[in-house]
Amino acid sequence: DVKVTQSSRYLVKRTGEKVFLECVQDMDHENMFWYRQDPGLGLRLIYFSYDVKMKEKGDIPEGYSVSREKKERFSLILESASTNQTSMYLCASSSYRGLSGYGYTFGSGTRLTVV
Amino acid sequence: GQQVMQIPQYQHVQEGEDFTTYCNSSTTLSNIQWYKQRPGGHPVFLIQLVKSGEVKKQKRLTFQFGEAKKNSSLHITATQTTDVGTYFCAGRGGGYSTLTFGKGTMLLVSP
Repeated sequence: DVKVTQSSRYLVKRTGEKVFLECVQDMDHENMFWYRQDPGLGLRLIYFSYDVKMKEKGDIPEGYSVSREKKERFSLILESASTNQTSMYLCASSSYRGLSGYGYTFGSGTRLTVV
Repeated sequence: GQQVMQIPQYQHVQEGEDFTTYCNSSTTLSNIQWYKQRPGGHPVFLIQLVKSGEVKKQKRLTFQFGEAKKNSSLHITATQTTDVGTYFCAGRGGGYSTLTFGKGTMLLVSP
């Protein structure tokens, strides 16, 4: 069965800490995405990647960075965590680009609380 | 940029009643996808529509893509308690664009 695994289900960090959220997919998908989900705001795209070592900014990249050193792994980094980054973070992957894009497979999410 | 609006935000129905959620894009879409997120869960891909006027069915769920490829709908016939969750549409523009998600419609079904 197709799988996207996020390293932590729940995470509590202090303001100013550097935070790493890890995501691994076992489907050999080219595309990987990081979203945050907040009540009333829906799913907002932070960063995405179409290939190894490649990254593109999404709609809300400020305060975040990403790393994709291997095809199966896409990491989200909060350089200096702030309370307004408290959220549910969802990783997703998909195959193909453009018009023939396929459905996204989401991980179970990491609920991050910054105190 | 591209915007995808979804209505209603929330709907509460009695089991057995029908349910419809609507999705409208500010721009023409190359395709549209639908996802379901159960309470406490993550979005799960349901279907993709590509052609103008396309209609697809999955058991009690009927998905439509508008002729102008700017709107879509999901209709559930005779809801069941297992249909509870939030339904998201997600539209893709042309080229190598990413999906833009609507804010979702939360469906509550009372037995």
